[in-house]
Amino acid sequence: GENVEQHPSTLSVQEGDSAVIKCTYSDSASNYFPWYKQELGKGPQLIIDIRSNVGEKKDQRIAVTLNKTAKHFSLHITETQPEDSAVYFCAASSYNAGNMLTFGGGTRLMVKP
Amino acid sequence: DTAVSQTPKYLVTQMGNDKSIKCEQNLGHDTMYWYKQDSKKFLKIMFSYNNKELIINETVPNRFSPKSPDKAHLNLHINSLELGDSAVYFCASSQGYGGDSPLHFGNGTRLTVT
Repeated sequence: GENVEQHPSTLSVQEGDSAVIKCTYSDSASNYFPWYKQELGKGPQLIIDIRSNVGEKKDQRIAVTLNKTAKHFSLHITETQPEDSAVYFCAASSYNAGNMLTFGGGTRLMVKP
Repeated sequence: DTAVSQTPKYLVTQMGNDKSIKCEQNLGHDTMYWYKQDSKKFLKIMFSYNNKELIINETVPNRFSPKSPDKAHLNLHINSLELGDSAVYFCASSQGYGGDSPLHFGNGTRLTVT
């Protein structure tokens, strides 16, 4: 089945700096890669996603890049703000894995004011 | 309006008891899920229902039984609770069935078994 690894597990940045979270996946047939943000006491919320026919996608301060050859994808947050502090999860979906999402282990991002 | 709501938010109970968690979604989605998040924040799917039909049942003890009375509801019953069942349980829904449909999560039920 699919295996998704996420790094780093914790990330601390100063307000205004950029943050990058990286994920690798094992199944070359994976075709959908969402990112979820989980704030304290809440459920994960989709913030951006990318499909395998696209190499990059941007939404204001958030961007995701995908390298299908290397089987890795990354989340980039620019001009970080304290409200960006949360746990971020990457995920991958593949028909070979029953077409279900497999989540990475999560990254706790702390933005210091 | 809350899109995916689950109750209760907190559940503290003793080993051996039976408990239920309820979930409702008002998004009109066809598929609902139960996920378990352990103390290390790892998210793992437990069950998936599409149009009230069980699609996925991951390696979960049969003490866990989902029930979907209609498309908008997916409840989780747990019998003979064990210490290892302590976790946060999330209900989620999606428009279509499959991993490429964005998930909408509830805010979780923190289950503590003593």
